[in-house]
Amino acid sequence: QKEVEQNSGPLSVPEGAIASLNCTYSDRVSQSFFWYRQYSGKSPELIMSIYSNGDKEDGRFTAQLNKASQYVSLLIRDSQPSDSATYLCAVKGGGSQGNLIFGKGTKLSVKP
Amino acid sequence: GAGVSQTPSNKVTEKGKYVELRCDPISGHTALYWYRQSLGQGPEFLIYFQGTGAADDSGLPNDRFFAVRPEGSVSTLKIQRTERGDSAVYLCASSLKGRNRGSGANVLTFGAGSRLTVL
Repeated sequence: QKEVEQNSGPLSVPEGAIASLNCTYSDRVSQSFFWYRQYSGKSPELIMSIYSNGDKEDGRFTAQLNKASQYVSLLIRDSQPSDSATYLCAVKGGGSQGNLIFGKGTKLSVKP
Repeated sequence: GAGVSQTPSNKVTEKGKYVELRCDPISGHTALYWYRQSLGQGPEFLIYFQGTGAADDSGLPNDRFFAVRPEGSVSTLKIQRTERGDSAVYLCASSLKGRNRGSGANVLTFGAGSRLTVL
């Protein structure tokens, strides 16, 4: 069974610090990787997508992918209280498979 | 429409009843997905449509669950003989493409969800 693993947290960081969120996946042929943010009571919204090994930066967010280690991470620099949410890692398999497999999410709390 | 629309937003029903949940995807999106999310869990894949056909229904938990998308746009998730364990938020998402095509792989946009409570 294809799995996506995340530490459920909560992860607590002070305002202005770097938050580091990690995810591992079991399907070695996975091609596409996503980070979604979900505020309490709301639906997931896409923050970052990454497809190639290495880093991808977008504003305060950096996604990192290491396919050999089957590991993907999200760094949030200069964390703000508004970043407090659950962060979901999602992985899409290779080939014609269309669905995303989600992890359980890591709850992040940024303290003022 | 501008976003993915789901109705009803809330549904309370009694055990054993039949329920339909509707999803209206973003106009032009060919792929449509249904997920289920329980409290404290990530979204759990149920079924994925590419156009009118179910491309992958491997996530449907049992034969009480069924989904259709007859005209390739609006989809209805149908749950027969509901059980208390069916209580969850049912999320619908759509995307432009359903196939993995490398770096151009599709991105899912989610609706607000339908919260189902089975008493």
